[in-house]
Amino acid sequence: EIVMTQSPATLSVSPGERATLSCRASHSVSSNLAWYQQKPGQAPRLLIYGASTRATGIPARFSGSGSGTEFTLTISSLQSEDFALYYCQQYYNWYTFGQGTKLEIK
Amino acid sequence: EVQLLESGGGLVQPGGSLRLSCAASGFTFSNYAMSWVRQAPGEGLDWVSSISDSGDRPYYADSVKGRFTISRDNSKNTLSLQVNSLRAEDTAVYYCAKLLRSEFFDYWGQGTLVIVSS
Repeated sequence: EIVMTQSPATLSVSPGERATLSCRASHSVSSNLAWYQQKPGQAPRLLIYGASTRATGIPARFSGSGSGTEFTLTISSLQSEDFALYYCQQYYNWYTFGQGTKLEIK
Repeated sequence: EVQLLESGGGLVQPGGSLRLSCAASGFTFSNYAMSWVRQAPGEGLDWVSSISDSGDRPYYADSVKGRFTISRDNSKNTLSLQVNSLRAEDTAVYYCAKLLRSEFFDYWGQGTLVIVSS
């Protein structure tokens, strides 16, 4: 099983600033990585797939990068609606998720 | 608009069974693989099972193999998950999710809560 590890567990950032979330895979997953956003009481929403391709309707302030075992989700100029939980997911070998990063208002 | 609506959750005793359903609309259901993903209270996401677009290839996480059965009815645009021999650790919100290219989950339902407790 490929284990996905996200860091940090909690990230405190002020509105308008940039947030950088990390995801590491225990084995290479090439670019087979997706990012999801989840707000309390809601289902996850797909943000990024293929490590760097934004899903339909996702604002340009969300960007993904990386390949192999190291990945980054960057949110430039944080908006109030961006404070949420974020999960990475690999689909190189079945499907496994990271434990999540909580992005909170500083 | 893609919609996925789960139902069938509830409170069940350890060892009991439930049948979860997901009604899909807004896309050509028979063209896409589908999945169930669960989330225990306060925890992360955990893939449970997937099924091919035609329904002839089911796949399961090791944690549920032999206890859960995924199926679909393409004539009714419905995905199902029969959950048997339930354990306390199966307590979770179960999400129905559409798979794109059998790779990632591009649409999710709102989930149905399964509580396993005596």
